[in-house]
Amino acid sequence: GAVVSQHPSWVICKSGTSVKIECRSLDFQATTMFWYRQFPKQSLMLMATSNEGSKATYEQGVEKDKFLINHASLTLSTLTVTSAHPEDSSFYICSARDPAGGLEQYFGPGTRLTVT
Amino acid sequence: QKEVEQDPGPLSVPEGAIVSLNCTYSNSAFQYFMWYRQYSRKGPELLMYTYSSGNKEDGRFTAQVDKSSKYISLFIRDSQPSDSATYLCAMMRGGADGLTFGKGTHLIIQP
Repeated sequence: GAVVSQHPSWVICKSGTSVKIECRSLDFQATTMFWYRQFPKQSLMLMATSNEGSKATYEQGVEKDKFLINHASLTLSTLTVTSAHPEDSSFYICSARDPAGGLEQYFGPGTRLTVT
Repeated sequence: QKEVEQDPGPLSVPEGAIVSLNCTYSNSAFQYFMWYRQYSRKGPELLMYTYSSGNKEDGRFTAQVDKSSKYISLFIRDSQPSDSATYLCAMMRGGADGLTFGKGTHLIIQP
């Protein structure tokens, strides 16, 4: 079945630094990947839609200069949190759509980011 | 008002019981309705999806969508301890869109 991996699974960084999260589709080519964020006791919230070879589309309220998304290949999308602050601490999870698989989005296991 | 409302639970039922999970939503533009299951430290896994109103059955699981009431349900028959997980409803406007999730309901099936 379709597998999506994320790396790292958890990361701790100091305030003001940047951190990069990778999302890979392991056994299919994903033309579209999505990035979600989840704060404690809240629902998964869509941050942006990433299409291979083009600029990401960000949801309202998500700072595109702070959350840089690159989808340079059909199997890899990256999310870089720039100048991270404690309020960016959250659970970040990506999903990928297999064009041959219809509507289904396959989710990675998520990345827990803690900014100190 | 949030776009999608879902009671976070926990919901605890004995093994073999019928479980009813549900969500309400406010955006009438939603056309696709999904139920995901998520185990601890794992990503959500799609259980089933429904397009527009109606019922869909898959084994022990039945999904219902009532667009007139903006209400969706997931029923689990003959519940098993292995069904214990967080169940998330999700929906989207078009087939290429991202998902709007509920908070998820933590379900516990007691042996």
